[in-house]
Amino acid sequence: KQEVTQIPAALSVPEGENLVLNCSFTDSAIYNLQWFRQDPGKGLTSLLLIQSSQREQTSGRLNASLDKSSGRSTLYIAASQPGDSATYLCAQYRGNTGKLIFGQGTTLQVKP
Amino acid sequence: NAGVMQNPRHLVRRRGQEARLRCSPMKGHSHVYWYRQLPEEGLKFMVYLQKENIIDESGMPKERFSAEFPKEGPSILRIQQVVRGDSAAYFCASSQPGISGNTIYFGEGSWLTVV
Repeated sequence: KQEVTQIPAALSVPEGENLVLNCSFTDSAIYNLQWFRQDPGKGLTSLLLIQSSQREQTSGRLNASLDKSSGRSTLYIAASQPGDSATYLCAQYRGNTGKLIFGQGTTLQVKP
Repeated sequence: NAGVMQNPRHLVRRRGQEARLRCSPMKGHSHVYWYRQLPEEGLKFMVYLQKENIIDESGMPKERFSAEFPKEGPSILRIQQVVRGDSAAYFCASSQPGISGNTIYFGEGSWLTVV
């Protein structure tokens, strides 16, 4: 059974700190992996998509890496800001479709 | 280019009533997915549809739930005889065919409350 696990479940940091969110998956035959952000009562905002042939993707202060051999992905957030407070979800694509296996998420709070 | 549109955003139903949730995919997208987010649980895949075809419904509850994506009009997720355990956020997503290199896009969700 494919599973995606995110650690930690919750994280609270002071503003300005660099932080790493972790995602691990059991199926090494990964296709693509995607990181999303979800604000309370809102939908999902796509942050970064890493294709299976790639090792990392960067967008602004965000960097996501993918290590298929160890079954891990990390999301690095540089110089965190209070506006980064949200739940971050990683999701593994199951084949060449939009059927995703989601982790439980990491809820991040950045304190001013 | 409008995103994935879902309506209603919030829906309240009494136990035993029917709930219909609608989803219009992004322009040019012919594949639709429904996901459910139960309180304190993660997002779970429910069903994958193309126009007039159900491709994968492995995540759909066996009873009371159905989905369609007609040739014309939005995709509909239908829940008959709702129970309190159906209270959740239901998200629709859409994609182009052959998703390699392409992401899927999610709507803002429909929040169903069963009282």
